[in-house]
Amino acid sequence: DGGITQSPKYLFRKEGQNVTLSCEQNLNHDAMYWYRQDPGQGLRLIYYSQIVNDFQKGDIAEGYSVSREKKESFPLTVTSAQKNPTAFYLCASSTGLAETYEQYFGPGTRLTVT
Amino acid sequence: DAKTTQPNSMESNEEEPVHLPCNHSTISGTDYIHWYRQLPSQGPEYVIHGLTSNVNNRMASLAIAEDRKSSTLILHRATLRDAAVYYCILRGPLPPNDDMRFGAGTRLTVKP
Repeated sequence: DGGITQSPKYLFRKEGQNVTLSCEQNLNHDAMYWYRQDPGQGLRLIYYSQIVNDFQKGDIAEGYSVSREKKESFPLTVTSAQKNPTAFYLCASSTGLAETYEQYFGPGTRLTVT
Repeated sequence: DAKTTQPNSMESNEEEPVHLPCNHSTISGTDYIHWYRQLPSQGPEYVIHGLTSNVNNRMASLAIAEDRKSSTLILHRATLRDAAVYYCILRGPLPPNDDMRFGAGTRLTVKP
């Protein structure tokens, strides 16, 4: 079945450590996205990528980094510079960036930093 | 300011139709209306989207008002699996920044 996988589902880290969240898709989508969702709130865009080796900052990119070396993969690193990293992180993909395309989401990774 | 307004919650009985409203009085001519839904601790799921004309797919129908200032998501026969938070959002031309910023959405409860 085609879809998006994120791993792990739950992740615990100590403050000051960098952590990388995995996102893989086999939908042959060009565009990929990372969002953050805080309890009871909507999604906020962290980074997006339209094509391999290209990515752009979203609304809240500070303290995060990404890479897009393969079409299928778009890992997100939460660095120690991110002041409030505890959140639910969602990866998504779509055929393209345009507003006409729907986005497909992964199951999410819940990150807890203490 | 929120681009869309939805009721906080709605209830439905199983196997009955559900009409979920969304107001978007400041919609621009190039904004698409998208609907997603989300179950607790899961990623959002795409439901349907449209621009001006009503749209149907296997999950739902989208009825768009003639002036485009409101729309209604229609689930023809609600099932227990349809219980979720439903989000109505407007997506405009690139770049894709805050247009996926879901609001509070409508929490749909389906009673057996």
